[in-house]
Amino acid sequence: GENVEQHPSTLSVQEGDSAVIKCTYSDSASNYFPWYKQELGKRPQLIIDIRSNVGEKKDQRIAVTLNKTAKHFSLHITETQPEDSAVYFCAASSPELNDYKLSFGAGTTVTVRA
Amino acid sequence: DAGVIQSPRHEVTEMGQEVTLRCKPISGHNSLFWYRQTMMRGLELLIYFNNNVPIDDSGMPEDRFSAKMPNASFSTLKIQPSEPRDSAVYFCASSLSRTSSTDTQYFGPGTRLTVL
Repeated sequence: GENVEQHPSTLSVQEGDSAVIKCTYSDSASNYFPWYKQELGKRPQLIIDIRSNVGEKKDQRIAVTLNKTAKHFSLHITETQPEDSAVYFCAASSPELNDYKLSFGAGTTVTVRA
Repeated sequence: DAGVIQSPRHEVTEMGQEVTLRCKPISGHNSLFWYRQTMMRGLELLIYFNNNVPIDDSGMPEDRFSAKMPNASFSTLKIQPSEPRDSAVYFCASSLSRTSSTDTQYFGPGTRLTVL
């Protein structure tokens, strides 16, 4: 099955700086890569996703890049703010193979210092 | 529209008791997922259903766990008998899954289970 590895496990950044989280996956058939944000005591919520037919996607301060050859994808948060402090999870799935389950990374705890 | 609904939100029980967690997916969604989240093991998929049929239950820890989806609007996750190591937050999620793409998985608020 799919194995998703996520790094780093913790990340502390100064407010206004950028944060980058990297994930690798093992199954070359995976073609859907969402990122979830989970605030303390809350549910995971999708913040951005990318499919294998594009290499980059951006939504305001958040961007995701995908390198299918190397089987890795990354989340970039620019101009970080205190409300960006949370745990971020990457995930992968292969819906075109009728496999809708997400394999999640272990999570990255991001702390934005004011 | 209401999101994914889970009940109860909190459950405290004693070891050996039966626990039933409930989930109502978003109307129109055809896939339902049960996850367990702990500090040690992160977010684990236990089982998922597509069109009410269990597709992958490889994440179900052992025979003490069972899940059902009798119709498109309701699912249960049962633990019998419960053990302290089952203490975790259990999330239900749903999505509209199609061969050509996967829509967002929307998570419910979770059930925090404590087994004493």
